Amino acid sequence: RKEVEQDPGPFNVPEGATVAFNCTYSNSASQSFFWYRQDCRKEPKLLMSVYSSGNEDGRFTAQLNRASQYISLLIRDSKLSDSATYLCVVNRDGNNRKLIWGLGTSLAVNP
Amino acid sequence: DAGITQSPRHKVTETGTPVTLRCHQTENHRYMYWYRQDPGHGLRLIHYSYGVKDTDKGEVSDGYSVSRSKTEDFLLTLESATSSQTSVYFCATASQNSPLHFGNGTRLTVT
Repeated sequence: RKEVEQDPGPFNVPEGATVAFNCTYSNSASQSFFWYRQDCRKEPKLLMSVYSSGNEDGRFTAQLNRASQYISLLIRDSKLSDSATYLCVVNRDGNNRKLIWGLGTSLAVNP
Repeated sequence: DAGITQSPRHKVTETGTPVTLRCHQTENHRYMYWYRQDPGHGLRLIHYSYGVKDTDKGEVSDGYSVSRSKTEDFLLTLESATSSQTSVYFCATASQNSPLHFGNGTRLTVT
C-alpha cells in the first residue's frame, strides 16, 4: 500500500460543477499536508496548505480528517482553467525532506 | 514564484556520458532540493541541500551527486547517465519548512 493514495481519475466535469478529491495517508504521525496543482508538462505549484480546522481560499476548500487519515479538496464553480492534476502531499515529520507525494488526480473541466 | 531557473530545459544524451543540471534561485532560500518525476511514481527526492556545501541524500540518490558552492546554485550531476535516469527533473527551494516552490523542470532523455 502506498503511503499516500489518490484516486487518479480522470474526473470529467462540466463548467460550474462542484468536484471533490480525497487523499488518504497511512502514517498517523504525519504533521502537515498540502495540495499542489500541476498543469501538463509544467512544474507543481502550491495550491494550498491544509490546516486542522479546514481552510478556504476562494472556490477551494481543504479539509483534514486525522481520525480517518485523509485530506480532501473541494472545488466549487469549476472553471476551464481548473483543468490540471492535483497532487496531495504529506509531510511525515515537519521536515521538507520527508515529503511524500501522491500520484495525483486528473481533473478535466469541460465547456 | 520563487525565482527558480533550471537549465537546460531539455537534454538528450547518450548512455555513459556525464550530465549536469543547474538550478539557480534568486530568493536567497536556504534549502534546495532535486526531485525526479516519473509515470507511476510520485515526485521522489534525489538530494537536498540545507546550506552552502551542506548536502544530503534523498530517497533515490544512487547514480547522482550534487554540489552547492553558492546559496543561489544547486547542481545535479549524473556521472554516467543510464536509460533509467530518463525523467523530468525538478529543482525546488524553501525557507525553513515552508512549502516548496519549484523550477520549471528539465526533461532529460538518455538514449
